[in-house]
Amino acid sequence: AQKITQTQPGMFVQEKEAVTLDCTYDTSDQSYGLFWYKQPSSGEMIFLIYQGSYDEQNATEGRYSLNFQKARKSANLVISASQLGDSAMYFCAIRGSQGNLIFGKGTKLSVKP
Amino acid sequence: EAGVAQSPRYKIIEKRQSVAFWCNPISGHATLYWYQQILGQGPKLLIQFQNNGVVDDSQLPKDRFSAERLKGVDSTLKIQPAKLEDSAVYLCASNLGDGTAGGYTFGSGTRLTVV
Repeated sequence: AQKITQTQPGMFVQEKEAVTLDCTYDTSDQSYGLFWYKQPSSGEMIFLIYQGSYDEQNATEGRYSLNFQKARKSANLVISASQLGDSAMYFCAIRGSQGNLIFGKGTKLSVKP
Repeated sequence: EAGVAQSPRYKIIEKRQSVAFWCNPISGHATLYWYQQILGQGPKLLIQFQNNGVVDDSQLPKDRFSAERLKGVDSTLKIQPAKLEDSAVYLCASNLGDGTAGGYTFGSGTRLTVV
């Protein structure tokens, strides 16, 4: 069974600085997908970035990049130039064998002005 | 395109009462998911539909929870009778179900408080 571990319950970052949110995963599948979502206090889940297990390059989407280290089974999210609006919960997820998403416990990011 | 619609947005009920949530996925999305998100935790899958058939309901507490997706479009999730520990946000999501990488879209959720 797949599993996601996020070991940072909360993180603080100064505005305009970069921050890395950790995610490790466990799966026995050769082909899998990893996702990061942002959940503001309003509750909606906002898709940020996706990394496929066979993708040779790290995924990037604007200020978001994914540091994918397959041998270490880690998929850390890097947010560059943090903004106050980045304050939210961040969830790492892996696609399960039936196509559902399996989430970690999340990391609460607080951006300080 | 319109997003995943959920209603109601908020619901407060007393324990032992019943409640129902509704979800309308993105048009054409074959797969629909219901997740339960307890405060401070990540979403946990309750049930997954492919069209109008159940793919996975292994984590659905079937003694009190039920869900259906008639005609393979919108879906309802019901709790009867509710318990205090059912207080959570119930998220509905959908995707094409064709195995492609992305395309999971979530609704805004229903925040349930059981008192």
